[in-house]
Amino acid sequence: QQQVKQSPQSLIVQKGGISIINCAYENTAFDYFPWYQQFPGKGPALLIAIRPDVSEKKEGRFTISFNKSAKQFSLHIMDSQPGDSATYFCAASTANDYKLSFGAGTTVTVRA
Amino acid sequence: DTAVSQTPKYLVTQMGNDKSIKCEQNLGHDTMYWYKQDSKKFLKIMFSYNNKELIINETVPNRFSPKSPDKAHLNLHINSLELGDSAVYFCASSQGGGRGGYEQFFGPGTRLTVL
Repeated sequence: QQQVKQSPQSLIVQKGGISIINCAYENTAFDYFPWYQQFPGKGPALLIAIRPDVSEKKEGRFTISFNKSAKQFSLHIMDSQPGDSATYFCAASTANDYKLSFGAGTTVTVRA
Repeated sequence: DTAVSQTPKYLVTQMGNDKSIKCEQNLGHDTMYWYKQDSKKFLKIMFSYNNKELIINETVPNRFSPKSPDKAHLNLHINSLELGDSAVYFCASSQGGGRGGYEQFFGPGTRLTVL
């Protein structure tokens, strides 16, 4: 049973546009929400992460929005660039978990 | 300079064979993981070791046997390979005793194809 549900499965955006990926969870004990970026043929790499004491975190063109009451969090990629074309995974864990629960992934394609 | 390395990068083998994948990390982390990524890109944790001790075993068939000779190495041995074992296998490492809240660093992956 997947503990983190991610949507959409894929999206296509024009260069300069905004990409939005959504994730939802049920386990209210989750307290760490990272996003990983994976390029074809490479391993996933941490992009940005948030803890539930803040509602938003921004790093460059990447922003996580977190809604604790709705148990949802999302990744916004502003001014999307062709180099952002990759698969993005949301994930969640608790302080006492020994593992990350990953979403199913979203393949983002940015068209020039 | 490679943080988490895996060998081999590609592995093509026949059903029924036994194969191993090796992983090494030079980050000084205390926890290492094996993940399986299927053709739909879903990432599934298989095993986790903290200081050479198994802390996660996610209902993986016992044909899969991880071995951690030391904190910096975690190898995966697979017996009697089946078609369904074809996937990309990722090794990862982290600090924090394997508990949540710590960045996991992934290796480049090993693409296993079973014919």
